[in-house]
Amino acid sequence: AQSVTQLGSHVSVSEGALVLLRCNYSSSVPPYLFWYVQYPNQGLQLLLKYTSAATLVKGINGFEAEFKKSETSFHLTKPSAHMSDAAEYFCAVSVSTGGFKTIFGAGTRLFVKA
Amino acid sequence: ETGVTQTPRHLVMGMTNKKSLKCEQHLGHNAMYWYKQSAKKPLELMFVYNFKEQTENNSVPSRFSPECPNSSHLFLHLHTLQPEDSALYLCASSQDATNLDTQYFGPGTRLLVL
Repeated sequence: AQSVTQLGSHVSVSEGALVLLRCNYSSSVPPYLFWYVQYPNQGLQLLLKYTSAATLVKGINGFEAEFKKSETSFHLTKPSAHMSDAAEYFCAVSVSTGGFKTIFGAGTRLFVKA
Repeated sequence: ETGVTQTPRHLVMGMTNKKSLKCEQHLGHNAMYWYKQSAKKPLELMFVYNFKEQTENNSVPSRFSPECPNSSHLFLHLHTLQPEDSALYLCASSQDATNLDTQYFGPGTRLLVL
């Protein structure tokens, strides 16, 4: 069975600093991996997804993530944090089980300090 | 504007009440989903409908009853809920649940059971 672990329920960075949100997955078959963002009082919005093409995936708002099979990781990064990046971020893994079932991590709340 | 709307946005109900949550998608999708988001817990998939047929029931208690009259509308009927059912209920849609399609989320209904 697949699973997702997000390391750190809260991450705080200064504006302009590097953002690094960690995600490790477990899957017995090649996974598809996602990062979603949730702003206050809103639903989840897709940031980026990995579907077995390029291992470095670029998403919206300057975010990117790198699939590392040897480390079973899919960490999310952004070179320079902006105040508007403050939100909750969810990593998710999806595998084919007849249909596609998506499992979400517990989320990491990102705080950006001025 | 995500194209997925949910009503009501907030709901307070007693344990003996009966209420319904409504979700509508304007994206021409064929798959719709209900998720439960509780504080400090991963997003939990509850139900999946694909082309109006229920394809997933993730061991959800019978006090939650979904209904999908057409591909654009999804309801979640609630009765005799428990306080631990208080959570944010998110609806999502995608083109087809059997493919790796991006899910688009609504803003959610925040439910409080007293």
